[in-house]
Amino acid sequence: EAEVAQSPRYKITEKSQAVAFWCDPISGHATLYWYRQILGQGPELLVQFQDESVVDDSQLPKDRFSAERLKGVDSTLKIQPAELGDSAMYLCASSLDRGQPQHFGDGTRLSIL
Amino acid sequence: DAKTTQPTSMDCAEGRAANLPCNHSTISGNEYVYWYRQIHSQGPQYIIHGLKNNETNEMASLIITEDRKSSTLILPHATLRDTAVYYCIVRVDNQGGKLIFGQGTELSVKP
Repeated sequence: EAEVAQSPRYKITEKSQAVAFWCDPISGHATLYWYRQILGQGPELLVQFQDESVVDDSQLPKDRFSAERLKGVDSTLKIQPAELGDSAMYLCASSLDRGQPQHFGDGTRLSIL
Repeated sequence: DAKTTQPTSMDCAEGRAANLPCNHSTISGNEYVYWYRQIHSQGPQYIIHGLKNNETNEMASLIITEDRKSSTLILPHATLRDTAVYYCIVRVDNQGGKLIFGQGTELSVKP
C-alpha cells in the first residue's frame, strides 16, 4: 500500500469547473512532486517543491494550473478552468531529498465531461 | 538526461526469472540507472537503482554492463503480481531529481 496519501481517488467534473487534488507526502520528505499521466503514457512532471519552494514548474500550464505547499508538508494542485484535455491520472510523489528515490501515491483519476 | 530504450512488451512464466533489458547508450558518467514499475491503477513503485556496480535488494537485481550502456533488471522468481509496466530511467542524482519516464516494458507473467 502506498504511503503517500492522495485524495480524492477519482474525480469527475465538467469542463470549465475548478478541481483540486490533495497530497500528503511521507513524513519528513522534503521534496514533493506532482506528475500527470495520460492513459498509455509514462508520468510527466508538472511541478517540484523543495520544502515550501517551487524548484521546477517549467511544464506546469500556469494559465490554468496552480500548486502550493504552504507549510512544506502537504500540497494542493488546482486546475481552473478544467478542459477536456486535462483528463488524466494526477500522481504525487515524495522523496527524502532531491536525488533520493521517489515514492508515489496511487493518484487521482480525473475525468472531464 | 539520457534516453532509454526498452522492449514494448515481454512475457514470463510464473516461477521463472524475468530479465528486463534496457539500453542507455548515451548515459553520462554521473547518471544513475533507476527502475520503477507500475501495476494497473496504482502509482509507480521504486524498485532499485545503481551507478556502476550490480545491485540487489529484496525485490530484484540490477545488472549494469561494464561500459554502462545497458542494464538488465532481474526478478528472480516472477509471480502473477509482478505483471506491470516496468520503467528504466537514467538520472543525475545531484541535480533536481526529476524522473523522465519513457513508454516502459509491459511484463505479463503467465501461469
